[in-house]
Amino acid sequence: QVQLVQSGAEVKKPGASVKVSCKTSGYTFAGYYMNWVRQAPGQGLEWMGRINPNSGVTEYAQKFQDRVTMTRDTSISTAYMEVNSLRSDDTAVYYCARFEGAFDYWGHGTLVTVSS
Amino acid sequence: DIQMTQSPSSLSASVGDRLTITCRASQSIRSYLNWYQQKPGKAPKVVIYAASSLESGVPSRFSGSGSGTDFTLTISSLQPEDFATYYCQQSYSTPFTFGPGTTVDIK
Repeated sequence: QVQLVQSGAEVKKPGASVKVSCKTSGYTFAGYYMNWVRQAPGQGLEWMGRINPNSGVTEYAQKFQDRVTMTRDTSISTAYMEVNSLRSDDTAVYYCARFEGAFDYWGHGTLVTVSS
Repeated sequence: DIQMTQSPSSLSASVGDRLTITCRASQSIRSYLNWYQQKPGKAPKVVIYAASSLESGVPSRFSGSGSGTDFTLTISSLQPEDFATYYCQQSYSTPFTFGPGTTVDIK
């Protein structure tokens, strides 16, 4: 069965960086775009960007263009998302989500808390 | 970017009620519209994809319709497990965008 297992919760200080992992199983990792979606506390869903695991080509939402890097390691079927220069308003749950016409499988989410 | 709006933002309903949520896109997205259900503390789950296709395993009381800019999600007879927040999302073009959500709670 398809599974997306994310790394654990993180607490970071403003200005720091965080890297979240999304380990996949149960399907051909290179065959589906992996997306990252975040959700601030009590707020809606926000698409951050995506990576083509086959080519490594990325596409980011404009607001994240300068601070977010998405990568992958095909040898271990894992996607990564790094956010730099963290601010308090980056406090959110970060989800990885496979895309096949829709976000059909999601990770369980990783809470990133940014606090001094 | 394509803007997505939803109405209502919240509603109270009873078990057995028929429920309709509306989603509107700022430009035509043809049928590239998906609906997600999210319960507190959980990841979203797709219920309808491509505007009107029922995701595998989702009860048939859920249905979707529309194309172009106007879409609806209907739950024909609300069940206790359906109380949640529902989001529409366009997959016509990147950046993919979500509606602000509709929270369905118990009357």
